[in-house]
Amino acid sequence: AQSVTQLDSHVSVSEGTPVLLRCNYSSSYSPSLFWYVQHPNKGLQLLLKYTSAATLVKGINGFEAEFKKSETSFHLTKPSAHMSDAAEYFCVVSDMSNNNDMRFGAGTRLTVKP
Amino acid sequence: ETGVTQTPRHLVMGMTNKKSLKCEQHLGHNAMYWYKQSAKKPLELMFVYNFKEQTENNSVPSRFSPECPNSSHLFLHLHTLQPEDSALYLCASSQVSVGHQPQHFGDGTRLSIL
Repeated sequence: AQSVTQLDSHVSVSEGTPVLLRCNYSSSYSPSLFWYVQHPNKGLQLLLKYTSAATLVKGINGFEAEFKKSETSFHLTKPSAHMSDAAEYFCVVSDMSNNNDMRFGAGTRLTVKP
Repeated sequence: ETGVTQTPRHLVMGMTNKKSLKCEQHLGHNAMYWYKQSAKKPLELMFVYNFKEQTENNSVPSRFSPECPNSSHLFLHLHTLQPEDSALYLCASSQVSVGHQPQHFGDGTRLSIL
């Protein structure tokens, strides 16, 4: 079955500095990978998705992620953090196993300092 | 406006009460989902409906009873809940329940069991 590991439960950056949120996945098939963001008292919003097309995926709000099969990674990056980026971020994997269910990571809380 | 609306946003109930959570999607999707989000735990998939038919029940206790009268509406009926059922309950929808289809989430119902 597929699984996903978010390597950091909490990341803190200063406004204007780069953001890196790390995600490693495990999948026996060609996976689909997603990043979602959750602001306080809100549902999850899709940031970007990878579904076997270009390995560098651009999403909303300046975020992007690169699919690296050799490293089984799908890290999320942004060149310059904004205060509004402070939220919880979830890496998600889905493949043909397990009824195509989406498997969510435990989440990474991003704090942005002024 | 996320396209997926959940009501109520907050619910406090005793263990002997019966209540229902409602979800409505305005996206023309054919698959709908219930998730449970507890503190410090990954998102847990509870139920999946595809074209109004339940296609998945992830070993959810019978005190949770889903209902999907049509592709746009999903309910979660609650009765004799336990304190550990306190959580954020999220509804989501997608075009169909295939792994590469991104899911769109509502803002959730915060449930507290007294």
